[in-house]
Order: sequence, then structure tokens, then C-alpha cells
Amino acid sequence: EDKVVQSPLSLVVHEGDTVTLNCSYEVTNFRSLLWYKQEKKAPTFLFMLTSSGIEKKSGRLSSILDKKELFSILNITATQTGDSAIYLCAVEPNSGYALNFGKGTSLLVTP
Amino acid sequence: DVKVTQSSRYLVKRTGEKVFLECVQDMDHENMFWYRQDPGLGLRLIYFSYDVKMKEKGDIPEGYSVSREKKERFSLILESASTNQTSMYLCASSPSSYNEQFFGPGTRLTVL
Repeated sequence: EDKVVQSPLSLVVHEGDTVTLNCSYEVTNFRSLLWYKQEKKAPTFLFMLTSSGIEKKSGRLSSILDKKELFSILNITATQTGDSAIYLCAVEPNSGYALNFGKGTSLLVTP
Repeated sequence: DVKVTQSSRYLVKRTGEKVFLECVQDMDHENMFWYRQDPGLGLRLIYFSYDVKMKEKGDIPEGYSVSREKKERFSLILESASTNQTSMYLCASSPSSYNEQFFGPGTRLTVL
């Protein structure tokens, strides 16, 4: 059975800290891994990763995929209170259209 | 910008009622999805559709059905609502199987 596991489940940090969120997966015929940020409502897309070792970056956020060890990390540097959200990791198998989501990491950034 | 809209943000229904949740996307996407999101369980796929009149069961289809008569619209139907269907329901769409999914704002359904 396909599985996506995120850790930690929740995290509290101070503004300015750097955080690393983890996502490991067991998926038959991996195609891509996606990161989403969810605040009060709809998840919004952050990154899609398909190749090992290539870092994707957007401002203070970056992510990398290791297809050999079957995991990805999402880094957020110089955190701000606006980074407080649930971060979702999802894996797309080659076999279909649907994403397998992890349970999410709830991040709280305190002033 | 892709826009995915859902018919209601909040909905309260009684046990046994038939419930319709509507989702509309304006970007001509082929694929549409219905998820439910519960604390501690994450997002779980109920049904998805990759074309008009086509549907596929997700991980938790029991108690739900779907309808896709037009490309832009995907409806989730609870034939006889039960209290364990109280949840946040999220609709999403994507242009193909190798692309990000765009989510609607969600419908928080409470079944009393």
C-alpha cells in the first residue's frame, strides 16, 4: 500500500528560526512529489519535484528530493508569522491521476 | 489564474438528508477530485474524474457518489448523510496527471 509520512506532525518556532519539514514515501512507480501550504482554507501549491538532487527554491522556501532514499525536505529560512500553516506533502504515482497525501505538518511561528 | 469554486463554505444538514456539494473550475481542466480532510487523518481521496461522465473511486468512496455531466462541474453527493461525514470537503482540478492540483476553498459540512 502506498504511504506518505510527514514529520514532525507539529512544530512551534520563533520568528527568524530555520525549519526543516520531512516527507518520506513508499509509492509504487513514483512520478512526482508536491508540497502545498494550507492556511485557513485551500491548499496552495509550493513545489513539484521529479528529479533527485535538484533543489527548487522560492524566496525563503526551498525543497529537494532524494529518490534513492525516498524522501523530500522542505526548508524555510528566516521564518515569519505568515509562514504559520499546515504544510502538506503529496506523491503522485505513475499509475494514475490521484495524489497520495501525508497527514501534514502544522507549523506555528511565534513573534 | 485558475479558479476553483465550491458552492458553500459552510453547510449544516441533518442525518438522512441528501446533500449536494458542487465544484466548478474555469480553466478547462480534464481532471477533478473530491477529498475530505479530517484532523489527524490528512486529505483522503473520495472520488475523481478524468473526463466528462467518467469517475473513479478513491480511497474512501463509501457513502458518496459523484456526477460529472459537464467538464467544468464536479458534484459530490451524500445519498443519506451521517454524522461521520461531518468534515471539510475540498475539491481540486488539474489539467493532466502530471501537474499540480488546484484546490477550491473547501466546504465545512456538519451533519447533526
